[in-house]
Amino acid sequence: GQQLNQSPQSMFIQEGEDVSMNCTSSSIFNTWLWYKQDPGEGPVLLIALYKAGELTSNGRLTAQFGITRKDSFLNISASIPSDVGIYFCAGRGMTGGGADGLTFGKGTHLIIQP
Amino acid sequence: NAGVTQTPKFRILKIGQSMTLQCTQDMNHNYMYWYRQDPGMGLKLIYYSVGAGITDKGEVPNGYNVSRSTTEDFPLRLELAAPSQTSVYFCASSPLGDTTQYFGPGTRLLVL
Repeated sequence: GQQLNQSPQSMFIQEGEDVSMNCTSSSIFNTWLWYKQDPGEGPVLLIALYKAGELTSNGRLTAQFGITRKDSFLNISASIPSDVGIYFCAGRGMTGGGADGLTFGKGTHLIIQP
Repeated sequence: NAGVTQTPKFRILKIGQSMTLQCTQDMNHNYMYWYRQDPGMGLKLIYYSVGAGITDKGEVPNGYNVSRSTTEDFPLRLELAAPSQTSVYFCASSPLGDTTQYFGPGTRLLVL
């Protein structure tokens, strides 16, 4: 099946710092999604990307769909304590017509020290 | 706004027992999904459904069964629980043709 490599696995940063994480795929994706998961909760969609090269922002979050269609990154500017959580990238491949679910990365665990 | 609801929140099963994880969505979404999340891992698709009466296998379907008799409900059945099925189970739904999936809060299952 399709594989997603997400890095880094975890990040320990100071409040106010910028954060950058990325995902790479062994195959082409036609959609990239970024989710955040808080402890004990389900993932919540942050940003959706549908076109190669697309750059989309959601408040302090910015994500880009790589030109090769095999990667995506997420940046968080000026981190705050509520940014703590696990961030997942997810992608949908070129087949399946949208019905066969998403492929998820293993997540980036973000920890912020005040 | 209920969205996607899942019950129970937590369950302990003995090996060989059976149970049904319930999932209901009130957004009239045609697409529904079941994922499992193991510690330190991303979510893996178990089964999905594109509408009432239609289901199909995902990446890790062995040991599970699903049914979709209504648009709202998509229960996941474990017939003979095994320790390897200890995980957190998430149900999700999405509108027809839309890749945005909305997730429930999850069911934590421990098989001993």
